[in-house]
Amino acid sequence: DGGITQSPKYLFRKEGQNVTLSCEQNLNHDAMYWYRQDPGQGLRLIYYSQIVNDFQKGDIAEGYSVSREKKESFPLTVTSAQKNPTAFYLCASSRLAGGPHEQYFGPGTRLTVT
Amino acid sequence: GESVGLHLPTLSVQEGDNSIINCAYSNSASDYFIWYKQESGKGPQFIIDIRSNMDKRQGQRVTVLLNKTVKHLSLQIAATQPGDSAVYFCAEPLRRTGANNLFFGTGTRLTVIP
Repeated sequence: DGGITQSPKYLFRKEGQNVTLSCEQNLNHDAMYWYRQDPGQGLRLIYYSQIVNDFQKGDIAEGYSVSREKKESFPLTVTSAQKNPTAFYLCASSRLAGGPHEQYFGPGTRLTVT
Repeated sequence: GESVGLHLPTLSVQEGDNSIINCAYSNSASDYFIWYKQESGKGPQFIIDIRSNMDKRQGQRVTVLLNKTVKHLSLQIAATQPGDSAVYFCAEPLRRTGANNLFFGTGTRLTVIP
């Protein structure tokens, strides 16, 4: 059963704490992406990665960090430097060769920071 | 100018009627478009895509129309059902990054009235 998973579904943290969101895919996709979605808004790109051990900043990378040590995994850390971290976070993956291609999305993690 | 965006942020239709969701884009070089459906609290789900060498593509109960002359895209849903209630996004490739990145519009919220 191929797909992309995110955990946890809901996450609560206190201000000043770093938190890491998990994203795993078993679709053998080269590229992975992290988006942030605020209520009533579209998707904004945080980071993306086209290959293991390499990643690039998206439009709103400040206050976030990522790693890509394995093809299947692309965790996102929301640091205490992120001023408004409460949001719905979406991970996606896609093929790269012969593109463009659709992106496949995970179920999302809703982060609440108080 | 407006990139991938929506003319109407909300749309309400009676169950059984047809729905039409519109999207405008500004990059005349875009050669691929995707429609996603996002139900409340979930990740976006691929509905249908279309390449620029086509004017129309049909899926199950959905049709996407592409008018390159006026840079307009529409998603038609036939015999709308309550399960179609969701936010619908159109997306196009972001070529400037050289990766398979997509730009998503704000979305249109479709509400089906029983």
